[in-house]
Amino acid sequence: EAGVTQFPSHSVIEKGQTVTLRCDPISGHDNLYWYRRVMGKEIKFLLHFVKESKQDESGMPNNRFLAERTGGTYSTLKVQPAELEDSGVYFCASSQVGQRGFSGANVLTFGAGSRLTVL
Amino acid sequence: AQKVTQAQTEISVVEKEDVTLDCVYETRDTTYYLFWYKQPPSGELVFLIRRNSFDEQNEISGRYSWNFQKSTSSFNFTITASQVVDSAVYFCALRSRGSTLGRLYFGRGTQLTVWP
Repeated sequence: EAGVTQFPSHSVIEKGQTVTLRCDPISGHDNLYWYRRVMGKEIKFLLHFVKESKQDESGMPNNRFLAERTGGTYSTLKVQPAELEDSGVYFCASSQVGQRGFSGANVLTFGAGSRLTVL
Repeated sequence: AQKVTQAQTEISVVEKEDVTLDCVYETRDTTYYLFWYKQPPSGELVFLIRRNSFDEQNEISGRYSWNFQKSTSSFNFTITASQVVDSAVYFCALRSRGSTLGRLYFGRGTQLTVWP
């Protein structure tokens, strides 16, 4: 089966510009997550969708970040306007919904990430 | 609070050497899961293993083995007879039942370089 696909693989923009990252999860996976890794730091949670609904967006840094998942399929993450500190690798992951609502044991399948460089 | 610490930032070994990557975690939950992911140069995070908090049996898969010790809150990963293809960044991660479904807490990763 196809894995998690992310586009673009690398984006270089100037401060103040807008960038939109896209993630196509594994078909049939209702859970979709966005994570970010700033150089040398931990990979940090940004938000979690279950189908088209935002389950948890407590990791979003600020209101310059907007994530959508229309129709419960692919998702986009828009950064507007981008700042220097937004540079990093943005990972998308997907998983199936677990039985009895607990997905704790479920394995997340990650994409290759979208590297964002803000100059 | 959930936290994962990977104290080793970079490790270099020569092929065929054994290498252990350390992972120490913190959580107040009694039910949790621990994971190891590998990030090769191609960039994607590849799942290696999942361990739940009730199963302290060590696991071996080929040249890979994992030592889970609740007494020291550690989940260390050993590669036996390392190979050049093992060169990657390795991440340890924690998910506890008390946290949001699917939310993983990662360590900073350990860059492993295996020289021929």
